[in-house]
Amino acid sequence: GAVVSQHPSRVICKSGTSVKIECRSLDFQATTMFWYRQFPKKSLMLMATSNEGSKATYEQGVEKDKFLINHASLTLSTLTVTSAHPEDSSFYICSASWGQGHTEAFFGQGTRLTVV
Amino acid sequence: GQNIDQPTEMTATEGAIVQINCTYQTSGFNGLFWYQQHAGEAPTFLSYNVLDGLEEKGRFSSFLSRSKGYSYLLLKELQMKDSASYLCAVRDSNYQLIWGAGTKLIIKP
Repeated sequence: GAVVSQHPSRVICKSGTSVKIECRSLDFQATTMFWYRQFPKKSLMLMATSNEGSKATYEQGVEKDKFLINHASLTLSTLTVTSAHPEDSSFYICSASWGQGHTEAFFGQGTRLTVV
Repeated sequence: GQNIDQPTEMTATEGAIVQINCTYQTSGFNGLFWYQQHAGEAPTFLSYNVLDGLEEKGRFSSFLSRSKGYSYLLLKELQMKDSASYLCAVRDSNYQLIWGAGTKLIIKP
């Protein structure tokens, strides 16, 4: 299957700082990328959907000024958690797809963010 | 609203068979996916159903009944490494994936 690389896999940062998470599709062009957040023992929660070259569409309740998403190319999307707080600590996962047909979402490895 | 239900947790014995059910109510339907997720890792794709019936792939099979809004994932010859969470997801009319909460499967020797 297709490969999606997410980096970093783990990050610890201080409150008030910003953290950037990268999501790359290595062997296909991802027209759409999705960013999820997952709390322990909970399901995936979609944060936003981004299409290359256009602004991301955020889910209700997700602050777009806090979670900045940039989808600059067909192979790269970034999520920046700005002014991070301990409650932002979570598992963040990206996924990518290239169309609306039978294309399962290919997931990155996930990023474990801990804000201290 | 949109809703996907699956059991929270199931326990099975190594070598046995287990069936994980998923019922859904979504605005439109464009396919149902099953994913496996080990703790602390991202989900990995297991199966996809868009038409009614059974899809078999090795030890794993997935069934779909669109009229009943129902699917199940069948795991045969269970191995210890199958201990994981199994996520059911439905793609709605907007091609958005709606996720179930996941079923934690515990395999005992």
